[in-house]
Amino acid sequence: GAVVSQHPSWVICKSGTSVKIECRSLDFQATTMFWYRQFPKQSLMLMATSNEGSKATYEQGVEKDKFLINHASLTLSTLTVTSAHPEDSSFYICSARDLASGGYEQYFGPGTRLTVT
Amino acid sequence: EDQVTQSPEALRLQEGESSSLNCSYTVSGLRGLFWYRQDPGKGPEFLFTLYSAGEEKEKERLKATLTKKESFLHITAPKPEDSATYLCALTMNRDDKIIFGKGTRLHILP
Repeated sequence: GAVVSQHPSWVICKSGTSVKIECRSLDFQATTMFWYRQFPKQSLMLMATSNEGSKATYEQGVEKDKFLINHASLTLSTLTVTSAHPEDSSFYICSARDLASGGYEQYFGPGTRLTVT
Repeated sequence: EDQVTQSPEALRLQEGESSSLNCSYTVSGLRGLFWYRQDPGKGPEFLFTLYSAGEEKEKERLKATLTKKESFLHITAPKPEDSATYLCALTMNRDDKIIFGKGTRLHILP
């Protein structure tokens, strides 16, 4: 099956600093990747859709200047949380769809736990 | 409004006790329905995709079915390692986004 990786798996940062999270599709190319966040015991909430070579599309209520997304290649998307605050602490998960497979399912990375102190 | 509702929220079963998880949906233009398994602190693991009413998919102790209004994930003779949160999700014809249900937390007691 399609494999998606994320780095780092966990990160602790101080309030006011920025953090970058990488999402890679390891064995397929992904023109579109997705970024989610998940709070404890809640389901996944889509933050934005990342399109290779173009601007990301953000969901309503997600601050695009705070959550910067870059999709520079067909296998890599990055999410940068700028000027992080404690309320940004969450579990961030990326996903990608393997277009070559013909299916519509998304394959998810293992997630990144962000703690802002 | 597009909605995905899963029930029950939580389910505790004895090892070997078969049961079913429900996912009901109200959407316009369903393209596909997915089932995922999520373990604590990890990303969702893909299980099945169902595209049309009447379709069934099986994998080990799991079988997923689909009707025009709901999907079931049947678990036969579960084992403790089947304990996880099971997420139902779907995508519509209009775009590639996935809408998730809130999940069913399944706990299998040895």
